[in-house]
Amino acid sequence: GAVVSQHPSRVICKSGTSVKIECRSLDFQATTMFWYRQFPKKSLMLMATSNEGSKATYEQGVEKDKFLINHASLTLSTLTVTSAHPEDSSFYICSASKESYNEQFFGPGTRLTVL
Amino acid sequence: SQQGEEDPQALSIQEGENATMNCSYKTSINNLQWYRQNSGRGLVHLILIRSNEREKHSGRLRVTLDTSKKSSSLLITASRAADTASYFCATADYYNQGGKLIFGQGTELSVKP
Repeated sequence: GAVVSQHPSRVICKSGTSVKIECRSLDFQATTMFWYRQFPKKSLMLMATSNEGSKATYEQGVEKDKFLINHASLTLSTLTVTSAHPEDSSFYICSASKESYNEQFFGPGTRLTVL
Repeated sequence: SQQGEEDPQALSIQEGENATMNCSYKTSINNLQWYRQNSGRGLVHLILIRSNEREKHSGRLRVTLDTSKKSSSLLITASRAADTASYFCATADYYNQGGKLIFGQGTELSVKP
């Protein structure tokens, strides 16, 4: 149990377009989902925490208008990178937990390349 | 912000040798977790050690935690080429950080056959 999927696994887009990444908990209900960003050979940086039915909490320095997060159901959270630019190219990983203070289960990640 | 520091940043060993990675952190914690990440892939949860535990084993993995020194170590015994990956520690501090995990910088382990 506790499987998290992400879609797409890879996406290449042109500068200025918006890209949506989905994070799904497949066999459990996730009250909390987290979005991370990872640059090559670097660690994971938490971008935001989202709780089902409420607004996401963004980490300092993360533009909420740039990275739109929606957690509309207990099994789905989406991250939309709006007006993407080459500097947004990165590996985006989501995680989900059954309760706010519980173990996080990680998705396989989405590689975003902005040309 | 990333608070964890891991050393070494990179470690290269021969198959069969033991690999030891260290992690230091700055704040109080409820638990510390170790993850593995193969290149370009997601994270695999390896082991969780609670703040009131000092040592934990899982197969070829041994984790220690010293809360007085704010440090943890991950030992992989009898390493295999398949252990080649990046290893990250992550701390959870529920009182101050809610459900967040704060990740260390990671150790890149290379196990040569």
